[in-house]
Amino acid sequence: KQEVTQIPAALSVPEGENLVLNCSFTDSAIYNLQWFRQDPGKGLTSLLLIQSSQREQTSGRLNASLDKSSGRSTLYIAASQPGDSATYLCAVIQGGSEKLVFGKGTKLTVNP
Amino acid sequence: SQTIHQWPATLVQPVGSPLSLECTVEGTSNPNLYWYRQAAGRGLQLLFYSVGIGQISSEVPQNLSASRPQDRQFILSSKKLLLSDSGFYLCAWSGGLTVTEAFFGQGTRLTVV
Repeated sequence: KQEVTQIPAALSVPEGENLVLNCSFTDSAIYNLQWFRQDPGKGLTSLLLIQSSQREQTSGRLNASLDKSSGRSTLYIAASQPGDSATYLCAVIQGGSEKLVFGKGTKLTVNP
Repeated sequence: SQTIHQWPATLVQPVGSPLSLECTVEGTSNPNLYWYRQAAGRGLQLLFYSVGIGQISSEVPQNLSASRPQDRQFILSSKKLLLSDSGFYLCAWSGGLTVTEAFFGQGTRLTVV
């Protein structure tokens, strides 16, 4: 059974800092990995999708990497801003399955 | 472009009452559809998913059921709500023919009193 873990559970940083969020998964036979952002009381917003054949994806100040063999992904946020404050979730889709399996998320607070 | 609609945004229901939450997707055909529940400290739990009309897979035994009467419509129901059904319910879709990026609705906050 696939299990997804996100570390740390919460992170508080000053504005302008570069930061890394971690995601690990137990079964490396994944189809893709997706990072989401969730604001309080809202739905999930897709940030980046990495296919299993890819090593990284970039969107603006965000960069996500994937190392399938070690079961790890990182989300790098450059020059953090207070507006980046949210919970960040990673999810994987197992090969041969249609199901997204989520981690519990990292709650990020960027202080002005 | 594709959009996903989920309603209502909030709902307060008494114990024992029925439930119907609706989710519709526009701009795509034959999507995979999902219902998730999010409880504090427990993360996102997959309740049901569907790969086609009338095809429903249930992930956990519970007081809820799901139906897909049309290609782009997914309904979450209960005949009699329990207090433990309270939570934040999220609908999502992803590409049908190949598994691609998933997109979520804005969620329904259900409080059973």
